[in-house]
Amino acid sequence: KAGVTQTPRYLIKTRGQQVTLSCSPISGHRSVSWYQQTPGQGLQFLFEYFSETQRNKGNFPGRFSGRQFSNSRSEMNVSTLELGDSALYLCASSSKILAGESTDTQYFGPGTRLTVL
Amino acid sequence: SQQGEEDPQALSIQEGENATMNCSYKTSINNLQWYRQNSGRGLVHLILIRSNEREKHSGRLRVTLDTSKKSSSLLITASRAADTASYFCATPPLFGNTPLVFGKGTRLSVIA
Repeated sequence: KAGVTQTPRYLIKTRGQQVTLSCSPISGHRSVSWYQQTPGQGLQFLFEYFSETQRNKGNFPGRFSGRQFSNSRSEMNVSTLELGDSALYLCASSSKILAGESTDTQYFGPGTRLTVL
Repeated sequence: SQQGEEDPQALSIQEGENATMNCSYKTSINNLQWYRQNSGRGLVHLILIRSNEREKHSGRLRVTLDTSKKSSSLLITASRAADTASYFCATPPLFGNTPLVFGKGTRLSVIA
């Protein structure tokens, strides 16, 4: 099976712009989660989508949004970019069905490195 | 908020030596997972240990779990330069629908 893919791999934007990142999960996986990773804060959960519905959200401002399509591909959008949004954005998919399925393994993509100037 | 805290933050060893990383967590768990991240890449799942298990092996990896102390350790035996990476523990909360919570990781450098 092909792994999780993320596009683009690198992105440079300026403050105030918006950005859309894309994630294609492993075939058959319906749960897609997004994480932001920075040196200072580590891995922070952004949101999780399952069957086109957001069923979990982390503590991020409304500038961060996402969606999932019927083929389970997911996008996340960040509007009005700030310098502090510079980070590695990781997408992960899993085969879990139940939201509270605690033994699920997350399969991560390579990430999108976003730099905001 | 961080659930897991890895210790040490950074570790440097010679090839062939063993590397031990520790993880402490705050709340009761069903299981604890360890992931590896090569520089600037995605995370790779290494091993999952359930709360009713005390020790688990996978190749050169050995994980222990002490639920009374709310701690886990990851031992990599006979380390190789390719083991150079950051290692994270992750814990799913016992209740609720929230996802895995990751610690800040241990950066392991294996010097050839």
